[in-house]
Parts: sequence; structure tokens; C-alpha cells
Amino acid sequence: SQKIEQNSEALNIQEGKTATLTCNYTNYSPAYLQWYRQDPGRGPVFLLLIRENEKEKRKERLKVTFDTTLKQSLFHITASQPADSATYLCALYAGNNRKLIWGLGTSLAVNP
Amino acid sequence: EPEVTQTPSHQVTQMGQEVILRCVPISNHLYFYWYRQILGQKVEFLVSFYNNEISEKSEIFDDQFSVERPDGSNFTLKIRSTKLEDSAMYFCASSVDKEGEKLFFGSGTQLSVL
Repeated sequence: SQKIEQNSEALNIQEGKTATLTCNYTNYSPAYLQWYRQDPGRGPVFLLLIRENEKEKRKERLKVTFDTTLKQSLFHITASQPADSATYLCALYAGNNRKLIWGLGTSLAVNP
Repeated sequence: EPEVTQTPSHQVTQMGQEVILRCVPISNHLYFYWYRQILGQKVEFLVSFYNNEISEKSEIFDDQFSVERPDGSNFTLKIRSTKLEDSAMYFCASSVDKEGEKLFFGSGTQLSVL
């Protein structure tokens, strides 16, 4: 069956460290993968999109990698800040489904 | 910065009643979506809308659900006869010109069916 899995455990890190979040998928061939941030009671906010032919994408302190062989994406936040504390969601678009499929998200807490 | 707006922020209704959730997508966006999220669970796709018709819908989006873009700005989701299991946060989203890419979400409508 098709699955998307993100770190099920909440991630607690110290301010200034790099946070690394994982998104694994099975039985999909996604055209691209996206990462969103979600704060409690709010809608997801788009962060980064990476396509199947791209290995890495960066935006300011954010970096995403995409390994279609491992069926995995890693999301990094460098020099993390308490304001980065939120739930981070990965979402796949598999063109034949023509819809976004979402992971459950990983809760990140950055401690001052 | 332009944003997707949703009203109301909270809606309480009795089982069997009809509800209409309203959204104003970003004005130059071409694709519109409804998603829902039950507390602690995944974001679930309901429907996408493009060029004044449904582009894709999920198995959740049965005959009880409908969407409409009655004018150039509003995008509505109607649930004809609500069930207890329809209780969730409903998010409207829009994207510029590619289906499923870089979605902008509203703040959601929390629907409680009693």
C-alpha cells in the first residue's frame, strides 16, 4: 500500500543547532515533494518544493534533499531559533493521483 | 501580502443540517482546493477546482459535498446533511497556475457537528 511517514517522535533541539526531519514514502513515484510548516490552529504554510530530478534545494536557513532511490526527503533547518518551533509536514504529488498526499508531520521544539 | 480568507472561523451545527463554508482565494490564482484535518490526524484532500469545474476529488467528497464559485472571488464548500464524523478543521487553499504546487492556505473553519 502507499504510505508517507515522518518522524513520529517530536523533535527537541537546542537553539542554534541544525534540525533534521525525515519524510519516507513507499509505492509512490512523486513528481515533486513539498514541505510546509503548520502552527497550532492554522493552515499549512508552504516552505519549499523539490522535483524528482533535483537532489537539493535551499532557501535561507532551510535545505531539502530528495532521494528517489531511497524514497526519502530530508528537511534541514540550520541555526534553529525558538520561532522555528512548529509542526512540519511533507506532501507528495504523484501526477497520476492529481492530488497532494500528506504526512502526519513532525513536531519540532527549539529550546532557548 | 495577499492571503486566502475563510469564514466563519468556527461553525457549530446540528447533525443533519446543511453548512456552507466560505473562502476567498488569492485573486490571480487559478486552482482552488478544499482540505480537511481532524485533530491530530493528517491533512486530507477533498477536492480541487479549476476553470469552473471540479478537477479532482477524493473518496471523502461524496454526494453530500459540493463546491461552487458563484462569482469571481468566492469559493464555497457545502455539506448538505452533516454527520458527526464531518467535524474537522476545513482548509481552503489556492495555487497560482500549477495543480498541487505551492498551495496558499487559509486559516481554516473549525466545524463542530453535534
